[in-house]
This record gives sequence, C-alpha cells and structure tokens, in this order.
Amino acid sequence: DTGVSQDPRHKITKRGQNVTFRCDPISEHNRLYWYRQTLGQGPEFLTYFQNEAQLEKSRLLSDRFSAERPKGSFSTLEIQRTEQGDSAMYLCASSPLGGKNIQYFGAGTRLSVL
Amino acid sequence: KQEVTQIPAALSVPEGENLVLNCSFTDSAIYNLQWFRQDPGKGLTSLLLIQSSQREQTSGRLNASLDKSSGRSTLYIAASQPGDSATYLCAVNRDDKIIFGKGTRLHILP
Repeated sequence: DTGVSQDPRHKITKRGQNVTFRCDPISEHNRLYWYRQTLGQGPEFLTYFQNEAQLEKSRLLSDRFSAERPKGSFSTLEIQRTEQGDSAMYLCASSPLGGKNIQYFGAGTRLSVL
Repeated sequence: KQEVTQIPAALSVPEGENLVLNCSFTDSAIYNLQWFRQDPGKGLTSLLLIQSSQREQTSGRLNASLDKSSGRSTLYIAASQPGDSATYLCAVNRDDKIIFGKGTRLHILP
C-alpha cells in the first residue's frame, strides 16, 4: 500500500493552455475525491467517484473542468483554457466503500497559471 | 449548509507552551471530524480522527475533543515545539464529502 499518488507535483502553464492531472488511489479503494485549495483557504470539494461513476459535482466545477475514472482505478482531472484563477493546489483522496468514511489524501498537484 | 469555522486564524506562542485550537461547525449531523496538519506548499497530514460516537482522541502530545451537540471541537497541543509550526485544518465529514475550515496558522517561537 503506497498511499494516494498524484502526478505531477507541480505544473506551471500559460493562460489558455489545457492541463491534466492524474491521481492513483490506494488499491481497492472504491471512492475517489478531488478537492481544490486556494491560497489561505481550506480545501473545497470538487467531485467524487464511486468506482467509475461520477456521483457528485460541485458548482465550483465549471464546464472547463472534467474528471474521469474510466476503469474505476486512477482518475484524471483536466482543465481546459486555464485561467489565472485556476491557480491552486489540487488534492485527491480515496476511501474504501463502507467502513468509517475515512479519506486518505495525496500530496497534491500545485498548479500555477501565468 | 455545513460551515466550519476555525479560531484563531493565526497564533504565535513561545516554545514549550500548551495551546488550544478551536473549531466550530453548524450542522451536527456528521460522520466524523478530522484534524489535519499542512506545511507550506504541501499536502495534508491526518493527525486525529474522531468518529461521531466518540468524544476524544489522543496521539502523543495531541488531544482532540468533539462535542457534536454544540458543534465544537478543540485540538490541544502539549509542550509545543518549533516543529509544530504549520497550518492546522479542521474538517467534518458528511454525505461523503469533507468540509474544511480555513485553518489556523501556528507559529512556535524558539
């Protein structure tokens, strides 16, 4: 069990470019979550998956954002036409179905949009 | 709508002192409450998790309490050390998503 893995750790991009982040959950964890954290704030929920099904999306997730978990294992979060306001830490977490709703967090991907 | 508030927003204390961080939440229907530590530019490290049926959890110099009926939790840090300097986040888990407070930035003065 290597924990939740996120790649890349840092991403610098120019405004208008598309970016994609990857999250590998703890193996056999059915649920996978994405959060966004801006400077000086706590993380905010974006979306979550149970297996390959995306069950909930926050209103924070504009139509420029899309998340997938095609085989119920790793997930990707894509941001199209990035804006400076997208600069943030993007955190991924996973949890087993049932149990005690404990989510395990990855180290995050820090996005800087220039 | 669940809201989580942390007081104070920032705190500086001399090394060796005991301290308390406060967290309040508006909706008592939670699965659990968790305290995290976050170092600058880094991800989250889980410190303590209290299930809704529990009153407190302890780990080393850390003790977290939960009063669900009043919507309050405290994180007590004993004998603070410079290495405790970080941001501490309180988070409540309900409906399969975690709601975080904005955190308390703690600075321990050597």
